[in-house]
Amino acid sequence: DAEITQSPRHKITETGRQVTLACHQTWNHNNMFWYRQDLGHGLRLIHYSYGVQDTNKGEVSDGYSVSRSNTEDLPLTLESAASSQTSVYFCASSETHRGDEQFFGPGTRLTVL
Amino acid sequence: GENVEQHPSTLSVQEGDSAVIKCTYSDSASNYFPWYKQELGKGPQLIIDIRSNVGEKKDQRIAVTLNKTAKHFSLHITETQPEDSAVYFCAAVGTGNQFYFGTGTSLTVIP
Repeated sequence: DAEITQSPRHKITETGRQVTLACHQTWNHNNMFWYRQDLGHGLRLIHYSYGVQDTNKGEVSDGYSVSRSNTEDLPLTLESAASSQTSVYFCASSETHRGDEQFFGPGTRLTVL
Repeated sequence: GENVEQHPSTLSVQEGDSAVIKCTYSDSASNYFPWYKQELGKGPQLIIDIRSNVGEKKDQRIAVTLNKTAKHFSLHITETQPEDSAVYFCAAVGTGNQFYFGTGTSLTVIP
């Protein structure tokens, strides 16, 4: 069965370190998204991609970057981790551009000390 | 950008009763309104969605209504069961296909 996976599931890091969160999907979807989930804020879009070599900034992109070298993967990098980036991160993918179901991964809980 | 408000933030109901969660949105260009259920430790999963050319949609015990004029939409769960306990998120999606999520409703169904 097709799926979307994230790794690691839990990560503790220190302020200033670079961190990369992995997202891999086997749906063969062109569209991939990264969200962060914080209490009182719901899910907020960080970055998204509509295909290989395409990346776009979302609502809360400062301090994050993504790259898309193939269809299956969209890694999220925190260039210099800050305590404000402690959160649960979700990756998602969808088949089309036009308002379509997004399939979410299980999430990565990141703690920045 | 779009602004989605969701109420209530917490909701407790007795098993068998109905639950209603309401959302409002600000951008009249939004045309797709999904509802997601998130169980503890898992990612959100789509449970029902509605497009702007439809006023109501039903799937067994779950229904969604949309009032485009008033810019609000609601999730209705009837005959609630303990397994309905979860966090529910609404979202509004416009022409750019960006999902704007509400802040979530934690639903507890008391056996």
